[in-house]
Amino acid sequence: AQSVTQPDIHITVSEGASLELRCNYSYGATPYLFWYVQSPGQGLQLLLKYFSGDTLVQGIKGFEAEFKRSQSSFNLRKPSVHWSDAAEYFCAVGPYTGGFKTIFGAGTRLFVKA
Amino acid sequence: DAGVTQSPTHLIKTRGQQVTLRCSPKSGHDTVSWYQQALGQGPQFIFQYYEEEERQRGNFPDRFSGHQFPNYSSELNVNALLLGDSALYLCASSLGHGRAGNTQYFGPGTRLTVL
Repeated sequence: AQSVTQPDIHITVSEGASLELRCNYSYGATPYLFWYVQSPGQGLQLLLKYFSGDTLVQGIKGFEAEFKRSQSSFNLRKPSVHWSDAAEYFCAVGPYTGGFKTIFGAGTRLFVKA
Repeated sequence: DAGVTQSPTHLIKTRGQQVTLRCSPKSGHDTVSWYQQALGQGPQFIFQYYEEEERQRGNFPDRFSGHQFPNYSSELNVNALLLGDSALYLCASSLGHGRAGNTQYFGPGTRLTVL
């Protein structure tokens, strides 16, 4: 069955430091992978997506993610975190041919300290 | 270009009542999906509508039902509310039902509190 795992419930980084949020997926075919960000009380904003091709994907707000098929991972990175990046981050897989739902991980809460 | 809009923003109901949530998709989109996001969790897929029909359903009871109108807007209805139905309900729209990897755009959500 398809699933997404985000191993870190929360992460704290200092402003200006680099960030990596982990995501592992279980999927039977070529995955379609997404990262979303959610600020408190808000909906989800798409940061970036991977469908095929270059395994390093650039997104908005200076984020990037790397797809590693051998590790079933799609980790999100940012070289220098800003205080405004504090939010909840969700990794997701799908929708996929023959099924239409997107499966989300449980999320990682990012705290940024001054 | 308006994005996905949802109404109302917040809603408070009591157990046993019924509720209707509304969603207008992003301009040009024809497919609407609904998700439930409980506190501290990721969104869970409820169902998806395309051409005014429910196309796929997640693990939610029949108390959850929906509708899609000819203008592609959608409603989510929940009957016999339970305390556990308290959550943020998210609507997402996309273009082209059945295409793998369709990007979904999410609305701000409706916060439902059941007392």
